[in-house]
Amino acid sequence: KNEVEQSPQNLTAQEGEFITINCSYSVGISALHWLQQHPGGGIVSLFMLSSGKKKHGRLIATINIQEKHSSLHITASHPRDSAVYICAADSGGGADGLTFGKGTHLIIQP
Amino acid sequence: NAGVMQNPRHLVRRRGQEARLRCSPMKGHSHVYWYRQLPEEGLKFMVYLQKENIIDESGMPKERFSAEFPKEGPSILRIQQVVRGDSAAYFCASSVTSGIGSNSPLHFGNGTRLTVT
Repeated sequence: KNEVEQSPQNLTAQEGEFITINCSYSVGISALHWLQQHPGGGIVSLFMLSSGKKKHGRLIATINIQEKHSSLHITASHPRDSAVYICAADSGGGADGLTFGKGTHLIIQP
Repeated sequence: NAGVMQNPRHLVRRRGQEARLRCSPMKGHSHVYWYRQLPEEGLKFMVYLQKENIIDESGMPKERFSAEFPKEGPSILRIQQVVRGDSAAYFCASSVTSGIGSNSPLHFGNGTRLTVT
């Protein structure tokens, strides 16, 4: 069974700061997902990656398969980035095989 | 093209009552997944359904919980004789195919927050 750990659990930063959220997992995976859960509760899929790096706007996700570690970076953070960021390990069995971290609560203060 | 629709957004039930949570997947999606998010816990997989079939229910509690995805209409997650420990956010997600990837991303609904009093 995969164990997914995220750090930090809570993060408060000032607007404009560079943000890094970390995710480590214990068992090899086929892909790693990053999700964003808005204050209202809705969940949006941000990235799915199996190697290297992906970028979308101010968000960058990287993964190191050998080290079983992924990071989500936010450049030029903004208060609207305030949300819970969740990583999920995909063991290759599809969405029924996802193991989720507990999430990182991010608050960006103006 | 509407996203994954869940209703109700909030549901309050007294202990012993039944809770019915509905999920309409995105148009064209025939794969539906239910997840539960307990307070201070990560999302946990409950059940995976295709039209009229339960594919994987390994995450469902053995008693009181059931799910269906009929040929017509939304997927339903049903909890009988609710207890306080059932209070949680229940999320539904859908995809085009069974394997999720860049060509078949997973789309989540806004969740139903169940409170048992």
